Amino acid sequence: QVQLQESGPGLVKPSETLSLTCTVSGGSIGNNYWSWIRQAPGKGLEWIGYIYYSGATKTNPSLKSRATVSVQTSKNQFSLKLTSVTAADTAVYYCARHFYESPIDLWGLGTLVTVSS
Amino acid sequence: EIVMTQSPATLSVSPGERATLSCRASQNVGRNLAWYQRKPGQASRLLIYGASTRATGIPSRFSGSGSGTEFTLNISSLQSEDSAVYFCQQYNNWPLTFGGGTTVEIK
Repeated sequence: QVQLQESGPGLVKPSETLSLTCTVSGGSIGNNYWSWIRQAPGKGLEWIGYIYYSGATKTNPSLKSRATVSVQTSKNQFSLKLTSVTAADTAVYYCARHFYESPIDLWGLGTLVTVSS
Repeated sequence: EIVMTQSPATLSVSPGERATLSCRASQNVGRNLAWYQRKPGQASRLLIYGASTRATGIPSRFSGSGSGTEFTLNISSLQSEDSAVYFCQQYNNWPLTFGGGTTVEIK
């Protein structure tokens, strides 16, 4: 069955760029929307942005253009870059699958990213 | 953006009893509301979508209801394996937004 696995550094310094990758295994990255979602300690879930396999993207305006989601179809992966991070970006980051304006039907386990010097 | 508010934050229920979780949207989301379950060390699982449709493989003791701004997840006859965090999500408008979650504990 299809599984999602997040990977990337667990520690990022303030003002630097957070980079994460989600690997899709057991299925194709095609014909789906792929999102990044995060949950800061003690806070609720926040949707960051999605990418469609064709490359179309949408991101949460709350992130003020700091987030970029991209896809690498040949590797069955999609990625997140979040620039100019601060301690407020410390969170568990999840990758997820859904269709447009549809519920999320598959989640990754999540990966904790801490922003600290 | 649409704010999703869940209540209560924590619910302690005895095995075999009913658990009722609430989710409120700050604007009308129609029936574009999903419920998820998250357990430690496991990926979140879709339970309910379209406010009341059970996802594939979800036991019938889970049921959802509501529309517009008020939604409910019921777990009839609570089992020990139902101990988890439950959260709602609206997918009617961008950005997608989530409730803060309800922790269901087994007494």
